[in-house]
Amino acid sequence: NAGVTQTPKFQVLKTGQSMTLQCAQDMNHNSMYWYRQDPGMGLRLIYYSASEGTTDKGEVPNGYNVSRLNKREFSLRLESAAPSQTSVYFCASTRSKTSAPLEQYFGPGTRLTVT
Amino acid sequence: AQSVTQLGSHVSVSEGALVLLRCNYSSSVPPYLFWYVQYPNQGLQLLLKYTSAATLVKGINGFEAEFKKSETSFHLTKPSAHMSDAAEYFCAVSLSYNNNDMRFGAGTRLTVKP
Repeated sequence: NAGVTQTPKFQVLKTGQSMTLQCAQDMNHNSMYWYRQDPGMGLRLIYYSASEGTTDKGEVPNGYNVSRLNKREFSLRLESAAPSQTSVYFCASTRSKTSAPLEQYFGPGTRLTVT
Repeated sequence: AQSVTQLGSHVSVSEGALVLLRCNYSSSVPPYLFWYVQYPNQGLQLLLKYTSAATLVKGINGFEAEFKKSETSFHLTKPSAHMSDAAEYFCAVSLSYNNNDMRFGAGTRLTVKP
C-alpha cells in the first residue's frame, strides 16, 4: 500500500515549457486535490476532483489544467510555465463521506523550478 | 470566506518544555478545523481534527487542541516537547465535508533545542 505517489520529485523548466505532474493513489479514494505550497503562504488549492469524471477550480487555478484519468490518477498540467509557478506541488486524496470531513492523505510533493 | 491565522512563523522550545502553537480562524459558521504536521521533504500528515463532537481534541504523538468558539481559536499544545517534534505545523479550516474549500495557515516552524 503506497498511499499517494507523485512523479517527478524534482523538475526544472524554462519559461514557456509545458509539463504534466502525475499523481496516483491506491486507497480507493473518491476525491483528489492539487495544492501548491509557497513560503509564508501555506498550501493553496489549485484544483480538485470530487469523483471520477469531475473536476473543479480551487483558490488558484490560473495557468493550470487537470485531468482525472480514472479513480486512481489525477494529473496537473502546466501548458506554458512561468516563474511564478515555481513552487512545491502536493497531491492529496480523501474518501468522500457526507457526515463528516475526513483527513486528506498527501503525497511527498514535486519541487518545480521555472527559470 | 473562511481564513486561518497562525501567530508566529517560528517557535523554539527546549526539550521537555510545553509546546504551544497558536491558530485563530474566521468563519461565518461553525467550521471544521485541522492541524497537520510536515516533516522535512515530506507531505502533510494529520495530527488531529475538530468536527464539533468535543471541544478538546486529542491527536497523535501526544498533541491536543482545544476549540474555543468565543476566542475563535484552535491552539495546539503538547505538555513535553521531544526532539522528534521538530517540524512545520499547519492549521487548516474547512466549511464543507469534502474539503474543497480548505484554507491553510502560513505554518509555524517548531524547533526543539536539546
